[in-house]
Amino acid sequence: QQQVKQSPQSLIVQKGGISIINCAYENTAFDYFPWYQQFPGKGPALLIAIRPDVSEKKEGRFTISFNKSAKQFSLHIMDSQPGDSATYFCAATTNNAGNMLTFGGGTRLMVKP
Amino acid sequence: NAGVTQTPKFRILKIGQSMTLQCAQDMNHNYMYWYRQDPGMGLKLIYYSVGAGITDKGEVPNGYNVSRSTTEDFPLRLELAAPSQTSVYFCASSYSPREQYFGPGTRLTVT
Repeated sequence: QQQVKQSPQSLIVQKGGISIINCAYENTAFDYFPWYQQFPGKGPALLIAIRPDVSEKKEGRFTISFNKSAKQFSLHIMDSQPGDSATYFCAATTNNAGNMLTFGGGTRLMVKP
Repeated sequence: NAGVTQTPKFRILKIGQSMTLQCAQDMNHNYMYWYRQDPGMGLKLIYYSVGAGITDKGEVPNGYNVSRSTTEDFPLRLELAAPSQTSVYFCASSYSPREQYFGPGTRLTVT
């Protein structure tokens, strides 16, 4: 019930292309879905997050699409740049006190120049 | 603000040795966490704390211990290190579990 499944495990995109990373969850009590970005040798950092009352959230070149009925959400990186090369983690949690973030397995993105 | 700091950055331990991974934050966050990250895997929660004096187990607590005597510090203790504990360890802190701030990590090898 707590699992978040992320795909693909790795992704290679040409500069200027669109990177798409998908996540699926089972627990319908999840109500907050953040994405974290991790550069090599660094800790993860919050990139963008969405609540299930909206279907899309955009911040610059990064967009989260959310499909509540399918229990899926995805990260789209438009005009991908070599500087976007990193590992991306989706996560989910509920509003209940004491419930921690459940992370997906991560996607290693490489953007080729 | 330094944010979340972790020491050491790297460490090699022999099987059976013990060590403490240090974590400190200067953001006055009540929540603090320890995760481990294995290659190709996500982040697994080891222990967390909701405030000074309060700690609880996460998903993978076996072989580890924590304490939280102050708001700022949350050390992770490894007793009797095993090769299965070879990993990268991240400490994080937050006002709520939803938006966590991570430290730079400690790479631990047990041989």
